[in-house]
Amino acid sequence: DAGVTQSPTHLIKTRGQHVTLRCSPISGHKSVSWYQQVLGQGPQFIFQYYEKEERGRGNFPDRFSARQFPNYSSELNVNALLLGDSALYLCASSPDSRSNQPQHFGDGTRLSIL
Amino acid sequence: EDQVTQSPEALRLQEGESSSLNCSYTVSGLRGLFWYRQDPGKGPEFLFTLYSAGEEKEKERLKATLTKKESFLHITAPKPEDSATYLCAVTQGGSEKLVFGKGTKLTVNP
Repeated sequence: DAGVTQSPTHLIKTRGQHVTLRCSPISGHKSVSWYQQVLGQGPQFIFQYYEKEERGRGNFPDRFSARQFPNYSSELNVNALLLGDSALYLCASSPDSRSNQPQHFGDGTRLSIL
Repeated sequence: EDQVTQSPEALRLQEGESSSLNCSYTVSGLRGLFWYRQDPGKGPEFLFTLYSAGEEKEKERLKATLTKKESFLHITAPKPEDSATYLCAVTQGGSEKLVFGKGTKLTVNP
């Protein structure tokens, strides 16, 4: 069975640009969460979506937004990129939003801002 | 304030030398404690979930335990392929948001 897939794997952008990252969850999983991981730190929660609705938001500026589609895939958008946005962006999926089952992660998108 | 603290930050072991990694947490209303393994350039790989104090889970050379304030990941007779960063995370209240520690980087030398 395919795990969580993310695209692209690597991306290089310049300050001020915007970026869209994509995620396909494990088949049958309806909840998708996004995390940001900077070097040497644990992942930090950005968003959770379930059934196309936002169920949670972390402490990130409004430049960050996301959405979930009817097939449960998701996009993370970041506008007006800053150097500090350079990080590994991880997507995780779980069967639903309330069962406290483990989240399974993709291998992330490595975003570099020049 | 830090809600999840992992120690040590880094640990070097010889092959076969058993040890433990610590994860202490200060959240109230713990729903679950999760252990993940992360290899360089990869996403975290799920290992264990613990839900209540006294619970234990085992998988090959790894054993995870949980008390009311901390969790331990015991590694018995480690091999070089166990080298990775081990992440601990918790969920609390009605949220599925994972709150991670900074991780312990484990190196096992042959």
